[in-house]
Amino acid sequence: DVKVTQSSRYLVKRTGEKVFLECVQDMDHENMFWYRQDPGLGLRLIYFSYDVKMKEKGDIPEGYSVSREKKERFSLILESASTNQTSMYLCASSFPDRGRGQPQHFGDGTRLSIL
Amino acid sequence: GEDVEQSLFLSVREGDSSVINCTYTDSSSTYLYWYKQEPGAGLQLLTYIFSNMDMKQDQRLTVLLNKKDKHLSLRIADTQTGDSAIYFCAESGAYNTDKLIFGTGTRLQVFP
Repeated sequence: DVKVTQSSRYLVKRTGEKVFLECVQDMDHENMFWYRQDPGLGLRLIYFSYDVKMKEKGDIPEGYSVSREKKERFSLILESASTNQTSMYLCASSFPDRGRGQPQHFGDGTRLSIL
Repeated sequence: GEDVEQSLFLSVREGDSSVINCTYTDSSSTYLYWYKQEPGAGLQLLTYIFSNMDMKQDQRLTVLLNKKDKHLSLRIADTQTGDSAIYFCAESGAYNTDKLIFGTGTRLQVFP
């Protein structure tokens, strides 16, 4: 079974802090994704990576950056946390689609509160 | 642009069938997916369907796809309290099929 592990289930940080969210997958997937989930808005893509050191902005990248130094690990960084970044953050991974249908596999999420 | 729409809530009695509906805009989507999210957890893949299929059945789950109307539905037979969750449909993106476009999710509540 695919395992996507997010380092924290719950995290509380203060405004202005630099925050790191870590995600590790064990299936040798090329693609990794970071989403945030807010009530009534569904999942919105922040960033995704299709290979080591490769990244692409999603729909809402402002205020975030990412790092992918190793294939299995994808980090989301809040450079200077703000209260409007309080949310549930979900990491996912997948093989490249190439027209064959490759579902994304999700971690359990990190509920981040910025005070 | 690409968009996926779902109703926000559905309430059903235990033992009845549930039907969760989804409409999407991109006719070139190759795959459509259904995910389930239980409280406090991530998304769990339930099933997915290739766009040239009309129907897919997997135990209590039936997926119906009407490509002409861009309408996808998930039917859960004999709904149980353990089926209470948020259900998301998603389509593969037109310009980058590695990306998925998610709906807002439908919260299914099952009452005794």
